[in-house]
Amino acid sequence: EPEVTQTPSHQVTQMGQEVILRCVPISNHLYFYWYRQILGQKVEFLVSFYNNEISEKSEIFDDQFSVERPDGSNFTLKIRSTKLEDSAMYFCASRGLSYQETQYFGPGTRLLVL
Amino acid sequence: GESVGLHLPTLSVQEGDNSIINCAYSNSASDYFIWYKQESGKGPQFIIDIRSNMDKRQGQRVTVLLNKTVKHLSLQIAATQPGDSAVYFCAENVPGSYGKLTFGQGTILTVHP
Repeated sequence: EPEVTQTPSHQVTQMGQEVILRCVPISNHLYFYWYRQILGQKVEFLVSFYNNEISEKSEIFDDQFSVERPDGSNFTLKIRSTKLEDSAMYFCASRGLSYQETQYFGPGTRLLVL
Repeated sequence: GESVGLHLPTLSVQEGDNSIINCAYSNSASDYFIWYKQESGKGPQFIIDIRSNMDKRQGQRVTVLLNKTVKHLSLQIAATQPGDSAVYFCAENVPGSYGKLTFGQGTILTVHP
């Protein structure tokens, strides 16, 4: 069964450093998403991406964040200068064309900013 | 306030019992709802979904009920098993939002053998 994959599974970084989180969505999917989950809290939407551009972003997704689909398979989230409060689980998700199609989530990357 | 919320943060049941997890949503424009299961250290796993033109949908051992009048969603798990122990989230989608999901706070389900 196709699945969303994410790397790395864990990332520890120093405050102010740049991190890139990587995702490989399901191959025939067209919409891609990043969500985050701070420990003990609910999953929060960050950004959606379609046709090589951002279609929607949340207030969390400020100028420190960017997304890219550098090739036909990878989808990345970059945090330019990490802050302590960026520590969270980051989930990538993907779906097909209809918004009523299921979004499938990856296993997540646990980011710890020290 | 939150657009999606859960009445019960924790639910403990015995193996073999039926479980009911509830969710309230506040956006009457939402037309697509999903239940996800999240095990410790893993990503949300799709369980079942329902569109707003339906009030009930059944899967394998799971049933989702949607009451649009009171903006309430529930997940029923039949013959709950220890492997069902996890956090359960409801999520909603509003038309025109490019599929953005708004998640509830989550309910911790613990199944005792």
